[in-house]
Amino acid sequence: TQLLEQSPQFLSIQEGENLTVYCNSSSVFSSLQWYRQEPGEGPVLLVTVVTGGEVKKLKRLTFQFGDARKDSSLHITAAQPGDTGLYLCAGASTGNQFYFGTGTSLTVIP
Amino acid sequence: EPEVTQTPSHQVTQMGQEVILRCVPISNHLYFYWYRQILGQKVEFLVSFYNNEISEKSEIFDDQFSVERPDGSNFTLKIRSTKLEDSAMYFCASSARRDRYQPQHFGDGTRLSIL
Repeated sequence: TQLLEQSPQFLSIQEGENLTVYCNSSSVFSSLQWYRQEPGEGPVLLVTVVTGGEVKKLKRLTFQFGDARKDSSLHITAAQPGDTGLYLCAGASTGNQFYFGTGTSLTVIP
Repeated sequence: EPEVTQTPSHQVTQMGQEVILRCVPISNHLYFYWYRQILGQKVEFLVSFYNNEISEKSEIFDDQFSVERPDGSNFTLKIRSTKLEDSAMYFCASSARRDRYQPQHFGDGTRLSIL
């Protein structure tokens, strides 16, 4: 079993602040995806990164895949209450089996 | 936008009973998956399915579980002799292709409660 650790587990910040969430593993992944999950709903895909060192931007969200493809980060600029949710990273190794991280629960306070 | 739909949204079952969870994947997708998320824990892979057979399965997916694509649209997860510890959210997902560039699209899940 490949373990993906996310940190922090919980994060509560004020609207307008910046934050970074980390996803770390000792395993190499062929790709890594970030999802956001809201209560009572399934994970919704935010981004897929596949190349070591790759950086992708989605509005105020910046995703980076580590050079060795073992870790990733998600940076949110000027957080808004609508960003509140559970952020999950998921790594794909062989085949298409995804290993999900432990999740970061983000609360943005207006 | 096409989406994965799951029914029922909540299933309550007595321990020892059989339960079938249903999923309708996105229509042009070929790869189907089941995941489970026990309350407060991470999402765990159960099984992937392609061309009417299981592609991969995790340690969790033992003889108690089975999957089926009974027709051209539905994808089901059957749990036999349910146990208390089977209580969880069960998510179905589908993807168009099996490669690292292809995202999996998730349904909103079925909350299974075993009494």
